[in-house]
Amino acid sequence: EVKLVESGGGLVKAGGSLRLSCAASQFTVGSYDMSWVRQAPGKGLEWVASISSSGRFIYYADSVRGRFTISRDIAKNSLDLEMVSLRAGDTGRYYCAREGEHQLFDYWGQGTLVTVSS
Amino acid sequence: SYVLTQPPSVSVAPGETARIACGGDNIASHSVQWYQQKPGQAPVLVIYYDLDRPSGIPERFSGSNSGNTATLTINRVEAGDEADYYCQVWHISDHYVFGPGTKVTVL
Repeated sequence: EVKLVESGGGLVKAGGSLRLSCAASQFTVGSYDMSWVRQAPGKGLEWVASISSSGRFIYYADSVRGRFTISRDIAKNSLDLEMVSLRAGDTGRYYCAREGEHQLFDYWGQGTLVTVSS
Repeated sequence: SYVLTQPPSVSVAPGETARIACGGDNIASHSVQWYQQKPGQAPVLVIYYDLDRPSGIPERFSGSNSGNTATLTINRVEAGDEADYYCQVWHISDHYVFGPGTKVTVL
């Protein structure tokens, strides 16, 4: 069974940094495009960043570009999200998601909570 | 940027049919996905490519897409269908775009 398990969330002050990680099992992250999607408390889903299966193509939402960096570790079969210059508006649950064929998310992790205090 | 609209809430009695609209400019030219999210849980894909169901999703869930509106239909609604539902498309300028979500309440 495909499984995604996020970690690394926590409480951080505005301006601080965090690194999220997502451990994948039963598939290889190098074979799929992968994304991070976040959800502010009581709000909807917001796409954050994507990395192609080859690692060559990386995309960011305007709201995080220049502050967040998505990467993957093939050896660890994991997906990472480095977040710097965090703002209160970055608070939320961050989900790791596998992209299926034709731009959709077929598997999601349970998410990790990031809280940025001002 | 491409914007999707959804009604904030839909209420339906058990056994009845719930229809959730997702509006977008010429949305019929996009492939639409629908995700179900129950409280405290991760989203789950329930409809992809406008009308296909992943394995394990009941046949009661169906989708359509025409003109400026895509629709998720839930037939014979059950208490367990109570959740937030999000539509999603991929757009060349925005990449993944989600609708604001619709809360389905089973009366």
